[in-house]
Amino acid sequence: ETGVTQSPTHLIKTRGQQVTLRCSSQSGHNTVSWYQQALGQGPQFIFQYYREEENGRGNFPPRFSGLQFPNYSSELNVNALELDDSALYLCASSRDMKETQYFGPGTRLLVL
Amino acid sequence: AQSVTQLDSHVSVSEGTPVLLRCNYSSSYSPSLFWYVQHPNKGLQLLLKYTSAATLVKGINGFEAEFKKSETSFHLTKPSAHMSDAAEYFCVVSVSTSGTYKYIFGTGTRLKVLA
Repeated sequence: ETGVTQSPTHLIKTRGQQVTLRCSSQSGHNTVSWYQQALGQGPQFIFQYYREEENGRGNFPPRFSGLQFPNYSSELNVNALELDDSALYLCASSRDMKETQYFGPGTRLLVL
Repeated sequence: AQSVTQLDSHVSVSEGTPVLLRCNYSSSYSPSLFWYVQHPNKGLQLLLKYTSAATLVKGINGFEAEFKKSETSFHLTKPSAHMSDAAEYFCVVSVSTSGTYKYIFGTGTRLKVLA
């Protein structure tokens, strides 16, 4: 059974650009949650997808958006990148909404 | 609102000595609590979880945590530290809001293990 995988591992963008981050959930998991971890801080909840529908989001602007596909993999899209978007983006999958979340290795995004 | 507070931002121990990482929680009902570990440039690994089945929870790599309702605490302990335990540790509470189950993380405790 493979764990949660994320791609790419690292990414460098400039202000104003758009970025797409990808996450493959663990086999048998139908829920994906995305978190942003700024340097030296704990992860902050961005949003959650359950069976292809957004199931709640945290305090992030609409330029942060996502998708979940029929195979339960997911994308995080960020438009109009700002310098403060530089962070480690973590994806977590779970067997169901209430179940334990298992995290991927993250994508480190640097915005210049 | 539910939250967790990690009382120490940095903890240093010598190899072979006990580890204590402190976490207090705030919750209006019985919470689901977790400890995760993050090694440098890595993702988060689940150490253990409390979901009201037993107050003393055993996790991986010799770690355990005790849920104390009277003290609203969920401290992480290990009898003997190894060099490989050096990492960032996060105390986490699972919060349910309008059908969304999200994690609220503490600010983290960086554990340093001295040879």
